[in-house]
Amino acid sequence: QKEVEQNSGPLSVPEGAIASLNCTYSDRVSQSFFWYRQYSGKSPELIMSIYSNGDKEDGRFTAQLNKASQYVSLLIRDSQPSDSATYLCAVNMGEDMRFGAGTRLTVKP
Amino acid sequence: EAGVAQSPRYKIIEKRQSVAFWCNPISGHATLYWYQQILGQGPKLLIQFQNNGVVDDSQLPKDRFSAERLKGVDSTLKIQPAKLEDSAVYLCASRSGNYYSYNEQFFGPGTRLTVL
Repeated sequence: QKEVEQNSGPLSVPEGAIASLNCTYSDRVSQSFFWYRQYSGKSPELIMSIYSNGDKEDGRFTAQLNKASQYVSLLIRDSQPSDSATYLCAVNMGEDMRFGAGTRLTVKP
Repeated sequence: EAGVAQSPRYKIIEKRQSVAFWCNPISGHATLYWYQQILGQGPKLLIQFQNNGVVDDSQLPKDRFSAERLKGVDSTLKIQPAKLEDSAVYLCASRSGNYYSYNEQFFGPGTRLTVL
């Protein structure tokens, strides 16, 4: 079983819609969870972090965490073409960070 | 605040040659990471430093890869000899490690390595 799993996509949504990205992880003791956005040819950029069960909202982004189900998600409301990128889920495992393979999102005008 | 700096940005070498990458983390960040990102995959941790000590190098192919962080600031990652499968982007990241930014890592622009 992979440590951090994401659907590779591609996920395609129309402009203005809600994009939903999902991630599951294997380590039950993980405490910190992150979503990074990576544009093609660029390095990952942190967009959300979440540490407690529930929802965390920041502008158009909402991260959701369910530790019992070992599940974390990212919702992007009012999706824009500029949101088109690969979204990486990252989970701390001890002192390390483990990344998923990423979900490629395309927002169509 | 200046970000993580890396050089070179691009490197093309032939297999069996050697190559070295340099990273300068964000000022004051004690923890430094080197990742390998192969096209279509997420970043894979190669080595983690805390100041100038190695915290984790379990996924570093030690027969050909080496890294050092002298004086606890800049770091160098070396590959000798390179193989075709080493073609990837090598990312350096750093974090401050304080409570409010626990494990939030900031990435440099990366070095894209092509091995022919």
